[in-house]
Amino acid sequence: DTAVSQTPKYLVTQMGNDKSIKCEQNLGHDTMYWYKQDSKKFLKIMFSYNNKELIINETVPNRFSPKSPDKAHLNLHINSLELGDSAVYFCASSRRTGDNEQFFGPGTRLTVL
Amino acid sequence: RKEVEQDPGPFNVPEGATVAFNCTYSNSASQSFFWYRQDCRKEPKLLMSVYSSGNEDGRFTAQLNRASQYISLLIRDSKLSDSATYLCVVNDMNSGYSTLTFGKGTMLLVSP
Repeated sequence: DTAVSQTPKYLVTQMGNDKSIKCEQNLGHDTMYWYKQDSKKFLKIMFSYNNKELIINETVPNRFSPKSPDKAHLNLHINSLELGDSAVYFCASSRRTGDNEQFFGPGTRLTVL
Repeated sequence: RKEVEQDPGPFNVPEGATVAFNCTYSNSASQSFFWYRQDCRKEPKLLMSVYSSGNEDGRFTAQLNRASQYISLLIRDSKLSDSATYLCVVNDMNSGYSTLTFGKGTMLLVSP
C-alpha cells in the first residue's frame, strides 16, 4: 500500500545514454512534482504537474522531459545524460496545488559514469 | 532569488539534550512555513507546520518571527531516533502557483 512509488530505485548508466524514471501515486492527489537532490543535499524543484498539465518548469535543461499520462503518474525521461545529472530524483504529490504537505517517493539514485 | 538558509551542522548531542535549529528566509512575501525531516538515504517527510504564534507537538516546538524572517525548531529530551536532517521549508509563489522552497537542512546526530 505504498503511497508514492518510484522505479527504479537505483540507476547506473554511461554518459550520453537516455533513461526514464517512473512515478506513481495512489493517494488520489491532483498535483505531482519532480525534485532533484544533489550531492550537497540541496532539494530543488524541477517540474510540477496539476491534473496532467505542466504548471511549473524550473529552468531545467530540455534534455529533461516529464510526461504525465494521467494524474496518478508522472514520468521523467532524460536524454544524453551528463555527469552532472548524478543525483537523487524524488517524485512527490499533494492533494492540490499549493498544499503544504507533499508526500515523497523513496527516490531514484542516478549515477552517471 | 528566493533562498532558505540553515546551519548545515552536524549537531552532535547526547540523548536527553535540548537542541535548537535556526533558519532564515529571503522572501518577505512567503506565506507559510514548515519543518520536514529526512532520514539518511530516505525521502523527506513533513514534521510540523510553523505558525506565527508558535506551536508545539510533543517534544518539538516551532517558532516564526516574520519581522526577522526567522524560523526555529526546538527539540527537547532528544532521542536516538531523532537523528536525521531537518529541512526548513517555505511556501512561495512561483509563476502564480505556490511551491515549496527547501533549505539544505541541518543534520542532527543524537548519541547514547
